[in-house]
Amino acid sequence: EVQLVQSGAEVKKPGESLKISCKGSGDTSSSYWITWVRQMPGQGLEFMGIIYPRDSETRYSPPFQGRVTFSVDKAIDTAYLQWASLKASDTAIYYCATQGTSWSPIDSWGQGTLVSVSS
Amino acid sequence: EIVLTQSPATLSVSPGERATLSCRTSQSDSSNLAWYQQKPGQAPRLLIYGASIRATGIPARFSGSGSGTEFTLTISSLQSEDFAVYFCQQYKNWPPTFGQGTTVDI
Repeated sequence: EVQLVQSGAEVKKPGESLKISCKGSGDTSSSYWITWVRQMPGQGLEFMGIIYPRDSETRYSPPFQGRVTFSVDKAIDTAYLQWASLKASDTAIYYCATQGTSWSPIDSWGQGTLVSVSS
Repeated sequence: EIVLTQSPATLSVSPGERATLSCRTSQSDSSNLAWYQQKPGQAPRLLIYGASIRATGIPARFSGSGSGTEFTLTISSLQSEDFAVYFCQQYKNWPPTFGQGTTVDI
């Protein structure tokens, strides 16, 4: 199993850029996908997309295509979620998680990163 | 995109009682359905996958059933630690989607 630890909370202004991280530990040599999930304040879960650390194959859920970028650094078992220009509506908790294949349930979750965007 | 509709939105029960949560999908998804539990301030946790298979370490009081478009999560005898929000998710069709959640409270 892979354990995930995410970077700390961020407070940003609209228009700013941001990159948050998700570091894996444990059985990182196994085959798994990194999943990103958004949870807006007081709301449910939204599936943003997935990235395969071994080759960086990426799939975005349509609402997030073009709005965010996933990346990985295999050397340090770390995945990233980044924005080029934040909006107030990006305020949310962002979870990274793992799933065994691109069509599997999510089996392990990071603790979440709170991103607050306000002028 | 497959839409998942959970009911009820809120379920008020007493400790020791049985809780039954429903998840309906807009298209038949065979058994590729999962249930997650989320407590306040915590990340979600996988409870059930494949509609009826308990994840590692999940107590037997949690059970899942259903197929096609109708799925159920049953908690046989609610414990104090089970009061939380429960989400269903279909994970086979792209993009994977979640239901809006059911809050189980006292």
